[in-house]
Amino acid sequence: GAVVSQHPSRVICKSGTSVKIECRSLDFQATTMFWYRQFPKQSLMLMATSNEGSKATYEQGVEKDKFLINHASLTLSTLTVTSAHPEDSSFYICSADRGEPTDTQYFGPGTRLTVL
Amino acid sequence: LAKTTQPISMDSYEGQEVNITCSHNNIATNDYITWYQQFPSQGPRFIIQGYKTKVTNEVASLFIPADRKSSTLSLPRVSLSDTAVYYCLVGNAGNMLTFGGGTRLMVKP
Repeated sequence: GAVVSQHPSRVICKSGTSVKIECRSLDFQATTMFWYRQFPKQSLMLMATSNEGSKATYEQGVEKDKFLINHASLTLSTLTVTSAHPEDSSFYICSADRGEPTDTQYFGPGTRLTVL
Repeated sequence: LAKTTQPISMDSYEGQEVNITCSHNNIATNDYITWYQQFPSQGPRFIIQGYKTKVTNEVASLFIPADRKSSTLSLPRVSLSDTAVYYCLVGNAGNMLTFGGGTRLMVKP
């Protein structure tokens, strides 16, 4: 149980275009979903926290108008990278938790974004 | 948020026991300690979680002293496939978990 999927697994796009990444909790309802970004050889950096039906909370330095997050249901959150540029190329990972006090985060497999 | 400190890297050989220690001096009373494993181009995978004393599952053990300011992940008899980055995080459900630098474990034949 507690499986999180991401789609697509990898995407290549041209500079200036927008890319949407989906994160789904397949067998549980996710109270909270998190979006991370990871550059090569570096650790995961939290970008934002989203709760179903409310606006996402962004980490300092993350542009909310560039990284649009929608958490429309308890099983789906989307991250849209708007007007992507080569420096946005990275590995994007989502995670979700069930809101139980002793629970952990369940991570998706990640999405590799390459902006040409 | 509690910050964690781990060794940057460790080397081991197949069949050995590996112990990775993490410091988290500012851990809060309601924080749990969770360890994740990450392979290249994959999302982190849950290994083990604990609050205090010792926790053991089919893949690892987690030792937490009484003051909870540190924890040690123990991997018994590692194999080449255990080569990965291991992250120690502290927090609880509903709280964002901050990733530290992680420990890059290299298992050699």
